[in-house]
Amino acid sequence: NAGVTQTPKFQVLKTGQSMTLQCAQDMNHNSMYWYRQDPGMGLRLIYYSASEGTTDKGEVPNGYNVSRLNKREFSLRLESAAPSQTSVYFCASSRGQGYNEQFFGPGTRLTVL
Amino acid sequence: GNSVTQMEGPVTLSEEAFLTINCTYTATGYPSLFWYVQYPGEGLQLLLKATKADDKGSNKGFEATYRKETTSFHLEKGSVQVSDSAVYFCALSEGWMDSSYKLIFGSGTRLLVRP
Repeated sequence: NAGVTQTPKFQVLKTGQSMTLQCAQDMNHNSMYWYRQDPGMGLRLIYYSASEGTTDKGEVPNGYNVSRLNKREFSLRLESAAPSQTSVYFCASSRGQGYNEQFFGPGTRLTVL
Repeated sequence: GNSVTQMEGPVTLSEEAFLTINCTYTATGYPSLFWYVQYPGEGLQLLLKATKADDKGSNKGFEATYRKETTSFHLEKGSVQVSDSAVYFCALSEGWMDSSYKLIFGSGTRLLVRP
């Protein structure tokens, strides 16, 4: 039981490049989330998926897109990376439907030059 | 909107000292409250939670009580260890119409425990 896994662990991009961050969970959870963590700002929600087939914007969605590929997988795409997107990205999942505890992956550290 | 405020760090303590990390919140309704811990280079792990007023969450020697009258959820531990060095996040959960739950995080408090 791996929990929440994320790939890659580290990535360096040049401004304007695109990339996709992958996330998968094996806990049969309904809801999945993408956060970014910046120094002194805690975690901020980018997008979430309440259940398979649905996605919605969080607090800071600009510059990102997501895909809920199936119940297990939830990817985050940067179409044209900017230095302001340098951050640590965390994926999380929760059972949903009244269960609000979230489980987090190990994170992806992204640097945009 | 809902928000969480934590004391600024870093908090530096000697081993076996008493720990308090303050957390206050602003929320409508009746949110659940959480403490998450992040060890260096890792993701966040749930440390403890409380779902209603006067509940006490506890785990690994850490405790926090949901105080609705003071809108607080302070984290305490009687005797810290070097291995407790980490960043601690207070968070609240607000429900959504679609049955998913959004976590609102504080900015985190770094704890450094010296031998």
